[in-house]
Amino acid sequence: DAKTTQPTSMDCAEGRAANLPCNHSTISGNEYVYWYRQIHSQGPQYIIHGLKNNETNEMASLIITEDRKSSTLILPHATLRDTAVYYCIVRDLYNFNKFYFGSGTKLNVKP
Amino acid sequence: DVKVTQSSRYLVKRTGEKVFLECVQDMDHENMFWYRQDPGLGLRLIYFSYDVKMKEKGDIPEGYSVSREKKERFSLILESASTNQTSMYLCASSLEWLIWTSGIAEQFFGPGTRLTVL
Repeated sequence: DAKTTQPTSMDCAEGRAANLPCNHSTISGNEYVYWYRQIHSQGPQYIIHGLKNNETNEMASLIITEDRKSSTLILPHATLRDTAVYYCIVRDLYNFNKFYFGSGTKLNVKP
Repeated sequence: DVKVTQSSRYLVKRTGEKVFLECVQDMDHENMFWYRQDPGLGLRLIYFSYDVKMKEKGDIPEGYSVSREKKERFSLILESASTNQTSMYLCASSLEWLIWTSGIAEQFFGPGTRLTVL
């Protein structure tokens, strides 16, 4: 399974787009990219996932490079409530125990 | 809404005690998971279960056991607690069929139990 590399922390101004990068250079063809976030004192929360194509939902957009070696999570208009640790995970669809959360990126949204 | 509850938010135990952490989900999910979360190490999978009475080891099962007698309940057991098991423990559940039909493997997490072993 691929492991991921994320910056330890990032700052973002309230109302601006937050772009969180993730490297997964050893990702294999059947592995999906997932993003979760964990707000302080809560369990992680699913945000979005994708395989090859870019994805968008009500929370965020996911941009995956053509070679699939990296991706970016975009929060289009960050709010103070988006302050959290964001985890990028690559996962084999058929292996439940291959779900590595890593250390994530602490996003600080500032007023 | 899916709800995953854990029996305690905070727990303090002594070395050598037997500790039970309980997790209950109310959405009839087949899969349940136990993770521990430590600073700098992220979440690490301890055990998971894909059906009643079924269990699989995760990445760090040593020192732990689990029990799943009913579909909605997944228990984590520390047979003899040690100080290095002081951690935040997170339970999660997910639906089996979603994985096969849509690729979604969304896990729903409980609020966590912060366990301190003295």
